[in-house]
Amino acid sequence: DVKVTQSSRYLVKRTGEKVFLECVQDMDHENMFWYRQDPGLGLRLIYFSYDVKMKEKGDIPEGYSVSREKKERFSLILESASTNQTSMYLCASSRSIQDTDTQYFGPGTRLTVL
Amino acid sequence: RKEVEQDPGPFNVPEGATVAFNCTYSNSASQSFFWYRQDCRKEPKLLMSVYSSGNEDGRFTAQLNRASQYISLLIRDSKLSDSATYLCVVGGSGGSYIPTFGRGTSLIVHP
Repeated sequence: DVKVTQSSRYLVKRTGEKVFLECVQDMDHENMFWYRQDPGLGLRLIYFSYDVKMKEKGDIPEGYSVSREKKERFSLILESASTNQTSMYLCASSRSIQDTDTQYFGPGTRLTVL
Repeated sequence: RKEVEQDPGPFNVPEGATVAFNCTYSNSASQSFFWYRQDCRKEPKLLMSVYSSGNEDGRFTAQLNRASQYISLLIRDSKLSDSATYLCVVGGSGGSYIPTFGRGTSLIVHP
């Protein structure tokens, strides 16, 4: 079974702090994704990566950056956390660039920025 | 990327009922389609892929209508455990492999 893990289930940070969210997948998947999910807005893509050291912006990249130094690990960075970044953050991976491939999600990190 | 639209619901049905959800998509070049299920406070998980010929998995049937650009999910003999949010996902097209998620349809099955 594919396993996608995220470093924290719950996180509370203060405005202005730098926040790191880590995601690891164990199935040698090429693609990795970061989403945020908010009530009424659904899943929105922040960034994705289709290879090591490669990244592309999704729909809402502002205020975020990412890092993919190893194939299995994809990090989301909030350079200076703000209250409007309070959300559920979901990481996902998929095997290849084929658009028929299933996405596998991690359990999510519920981030609260005070 | 184009929109994927779903009725948010909630659909409130008794156990044993049959319920159907539709999802419309705007990009006619889309090539792949999925239904995901998301339980409260959990991550989305693949329920089933949707094939051109339609497909069935136990009590669940998914169909694709390319002409009208919608996919559907039919659940027969609803169980309490079917209560969840069902996300419609439309795969990429024209070289884009980024799927687009609908906002989800909430289903509540009551005794």
